[in-house]
Amino acid sequence: EVQLVESGGGLVQPGGSLRLSCAASGFTFSSYWMHWVRQAPGKGLVWVSRINSDGSSTRYADSVKGRFTISRENAKNTLYLQMNSLRAEDTAVYYCARDLGDSSGYYLDYWGQGTLVTVSS
Amino acid sequence: SYELTQPPSVSVSPGQTASITCSGDKLGNKYACWYQQKPGQSPVLVIYQDTKRPSGIPERFSGSNSGNTATLTISGAQAMDEADYYCQAWDNTTVVFGGGTKLTVL
Repeated sequence: EVQLVESGGGLVQPGGSLRLSCAASGFTFSSYWMHWVRQAPGKGLVWVSRINSDGSSTRYADSVKGRFTISRENAKNTLYLQMNSLRAEDTAVYYCARDLGDSSGYYLDYWGQGTLVTVSS
Repeated sequence: SYELTQPPSVSVSPGQTASITCSGDKLGNKYACWYQQKPGQSPVLVIYQDTKRPSGIPERFSGSNSGNTATLTISGAQAMDEADYYCQAWDNTTVVFGGGTKLTVL
């Protein structure tokens, strides 16, 4: 069974940093691209970042570019999101999600339960 | 940046057909997918590559995409289908979500 379990969320002051982790199991983690998606309270889904299977290629939403860094450790089956210079508008539930791997595009077929990040003084 | 537009809400009576639209510039030239999200739960992929259903998704869910509009159709909507639905595509290797549509079955 595919499982994605996020951790590392919490309360942080504006300007602070946080690192999220996503532990993967039930599939060959090193074969799949992965994504981070966030959802502010009561709002819609917003894509944050993606990383390819070996970690050599990454992409970011403009809203987080230069502040967030996605990475992965395939030996530990773990995906990360390092978040720096956090702002109030970064407050959201952060989901990690697996990319289906279809050559026609990006489809997120498994999602974690999410971890809440609150940026407030 | 690329934008996808969805109606905020759609209502349907049980057993009837619900259609949720997603509009974007030349969206028909891209592939779209759809997610279902129930309150307090993580999103679930229900349609990908415009028309394909992942394993375990009921046949009453179908999709289409042409011109500037992708459509998610739920035939014979059930109370359990009441949820938020999000379309998604991508542009220049970045993923884009629509704003979401709340489907009410009543």
